[in-house]
Formats: sequence, structure tokens, C-alpha cells
Amino acid sequence: LAKTTQPISMDSYEGQEVNITCSHNNIATNDYITWYQQFPSQGPRFIIQGYKTKVTNEVASLFIPADRKSSTLSLPRVSLSDTAVYYCLVASNTGRRALTFGSGTRLQVQP
Amino acid sequence: DSGVTQTPKHLITATGQRVTLRCSPRSGDLSVYWYQQSLDQGLQFLIQYYNGEERAKGNILERFSAQQFPDLHSELNLSSLELGDSALYFCASSETGEKGYEQYFGPGTRLTVT
Repeated sequence: LAKTTQPISMDSYEGQEVNITCSHNNIATNDYITWYQQFPSQGPRFIIQGYKTKVTNEVASLFIPADRKSSTLSLPRVSLSDTAVYYCLVASNTGRRALTFGSGTRLQVQP
Repeated sequence: DSGVTQTPKHLITATGQRVTLRCSPRSGDLSVYWYQQSLDQGLQFLIQYYNGEERAKGNILERFSAQQFPDLHSELNLSSLELGDSALYFCASSETGEKGYEQYFGPGTRLTVT
């Protein structure tokens, strides 16, 4: 199973760019990396997914280096509503198709 | 609204009892996943079904079992409940579960064991 490690918490201010890194040293060849956002007492919500290099959508960017042992979620110009817990998920497409969520990073955005 | 529904929203029961949680996936999704989230804890993957068959298994206790029915809805059965089973239980669905894992989560069932 690909074990993931994330910072427990981060603080930021409105308008700043936030980068959250997830380490997944034993990621397998067929694993994808996905990030989710979760508000209190709600189900997680898909943010972005990637396999390698860089992926960008309307809300975030995902950077994955060549060795794929880590990934960085980048949130441009955060607002108060981005205060949430962010999880990275390494998902295997082979074998037992294991699903391993990171422990989550609690992002607090201040005005 | 993710399109995934879970019932009931809240459940209070006593130790030793058995409960069933229900999940209806998004229309067209074939995979269903179950997760447990204890207070202020991360998401623990329990089990995945794809088109009626078990596809992946995580940290699911032997007291817990699940199944996915022909209409693709799923049920998670929790038996011999203990205080430590109190948690939020989320169901998620995805289109195939074969390539990547873009999952859509339901609102969860909050289980309280007293």
C-alpha cells in the first residue's frame, strides 16, 4: 500500500497562494494521485487528479515531479471559504486496488 | 449535491446491536466505496464494490460486512457494535473504479453507539 504523509495544518491569508504537499514514497507505477476537500460533517469533494507533471483546472493545480514520490496541490488566491481539510489519495489500478487517504491537512484561511 | 444518497442521516443504537447503512450511487456509477471517519480523524477506507462484486478491501473489521445489489445500491452491515464504532460513515461512488478514482461522496451517516 502506498502510504501518504501530509502536514497536519497550515495557515494562510485571503488572496495568498497555498501549496500543500503530500509525500508518497512507495507509489506504484499505476497509481493515480487525487486530492479532495472536506468541510466539517460533509463528504469529501473532488478537487483534482493527476498521474505525472502538471494538471490545472478552474480551482487548483497539481504538480507531480518526475519521480512521483510527492505531489503538491496549489490553491491560487485562497478565500475564507477555502478553510477546510485537504486529503491526498493514492489509488492503485492494479492488484488489490488499494485506496490510501493521507491524514489530511487542515487549512485555515484568515482575513 | 453529489448525487449520492445515504440513509439514515443519523443513527443511535446500543452496544451489541446490529445496524444497516444504505447507499445509492450516482446514476450510471458502477463502483461504491465505504469509508469510516471517527471524530477529528482521517478517512479510513473500508471496502469497494464494482458492479456487484467486491473489488478492494481496506481496514474493515470482521464484524462489518457489505454488499452491492443488482440495482447497484449498497448496504454496510455493522454488528456487535462497540463504542469505538461511533463515527461518520461515508459512501462514495465512481463511474468505473478502473482508471483513476474520481469519487463522489454522499453526505454520510452519523452512527452513535451508546
